[in-house]
Amino acid sequence: DGGITQSPKYLFRKEGQNVTLSCEQNLNHDAMYWYRQDPGQGLRLIYYSQIVNDFQKGDIAEGYSVSREKKESFPLTVTSAQKNPTAFYLCASSPRTSGSDEQFFGPGTRLTVL
Amino acid sequence: AQTVTQSQPEMSVQEAETVTLSCTYDTSESDYYLFWYKQPPSRQMILVIRQEAYKQQNATENRFSVNFQKAAKSFSLKISDSQLGDAAMYFCAYCQGGSEKLVFGKGTKLTVNP
Repeated sequence: DGGITQSPKYLFRKEGQNVTLSCEQNLNHDAMYWYRQDPGQGLRLIYYSQIVNDFQKGDIAEGYSVSREKKESFPLTVTSAQKNPTAFYLCASSPRTSGSDEQFFGPGTRLTVL
Repeated sequence: AQTVTQSQPEMSVQEAETVTLSCTYDTSESDYYLFWYKQPPSRQMILVIRQEAYKQQNATENRFSVNFQKAAKSFSLKISDSQLGDAAMYFCAYCQGGSEKLVFGKGTKLTVNP
């Protein structure tokens, strides 16, 4: 079945550690996105990528980094510079680079900083 | 910057009844798209309905329809014959034409009472 997978489902991190969240899609979509969701908030865009080896900052990119070495993969690293990383992280993809297309979402990763 | 406002943090409806969720947005653009996404307790985001700003006709998908009032910058979602499975967070989202960025509202939590 085609879709988006995110791993792990739950992730615990000690303060000062970097962690990487995985996002893989087999939909052959060009564009991929990372969002952060906090309680009582909508989704906020962290980073997005329209093509391999290229990505752009979203609204809250500080403390995060990404790579896009393969079309199907868009991992997100939460660095120690991110002051409040505890949140729910959602990865999405869309067929084309225009935002007018539907974005398809993965099941999410819940990150907790201990 | 574009903003999306959902003024109802929580709503409830009786099973089989109709409920309307409100959404307003702020933009000076004429080319844009609007979306309603559903996030059930599983936290998987699912597209409910999509509206192109240049279309005057309101979008419908089975029991879901929108009331798109472009001059008033309003985009409400009507759910008819509510079912228990409709219980979820509902997010309104805006995307400027040619942009990759979705701007989300903070969401409305819908409870369906049997």
